Amino acid sequence: QSVLTQPPSASGTPGQRVTISCSGSSSNIGSNYVYWYQQLPGTAPKLLIYMNNQRPSGVPDRFSGSKSGTSASLAISGLRSEDEAHYYCTSWDDSLSGWVFGGGTKVTVL
Amino acid sequence: DVQLVESGGGLVQPGGSLRLSCAASGFTFSNSWMHWVRQTPGKGLVWVSRINSDGSSTNYADSVKGRFTISRDNAKNTLYVQMTSLRAEDTAVYYCARGRFGDYGMDVWGQGTTVTVSS
Repeated sequence: QSVLTQPPSASGTPGQRVTISCSGSSSNIGSNYVYWYQQLPGTAPKLLIYMNNQRPSGVPDRFSGSKSGTSASLAISGLRSEDEAHYYCTSWDDSLSGWVFGGGTKVTVL
Repeated sequence: DVQLVESGGGLVQPGGSLRLSCAASGFTFSNSWMHWVRQTPGKGLVWVSRINSDGSSTNYADSVKGRFTISRDNAKNTLYVQMTSLRAEDTAVYYCARGRFGDYGMDVWGQGTTVTVSS
């Protein structure tokens, strides 16, 4: 059971907008930044969003992050076939003194 | 190129020990916080441990506290994790990752090394 809660799956057709939620608590998302990672099949995770809503260089602006209270979300607009991957949210947890991850969301492009 | 390369994985019996290494290149390792993150086959990511840039501060997930020890050798640009009293549930792919500008996310990841704990 992951500390952060994500839906196990999400899907959309090419060009659609898909949103993934990440729910936490006051000790993690509520008081710390949220980060998102993309993991393509058979590869290591890649940082997609940092500090709630910032994109590293090279990440398309189709990807956007937001945070409100103890929840966060990742939006993928203009969905493309290459976006088919697992997406994970993470945040520092003050009570656990450690990083906590969501269980991951598999995005399928129909 | 910025790169992290893990090594040291393998098959070990329950109760055994193993040391993983992570060789860093292409960036100033001694300025970087570092992490170990693991992933059970077909499952999600689980943070294991982190160490600050000079090795003076460490944190561990409850599941490995007292059994795993993270360390680093800045002269060799290498991160380590010594794993003892290994259990079947420690079976996973272990990734090392660089902390971004201190510890604001993990911006560089290795390719992972596989640890299998089984008799």
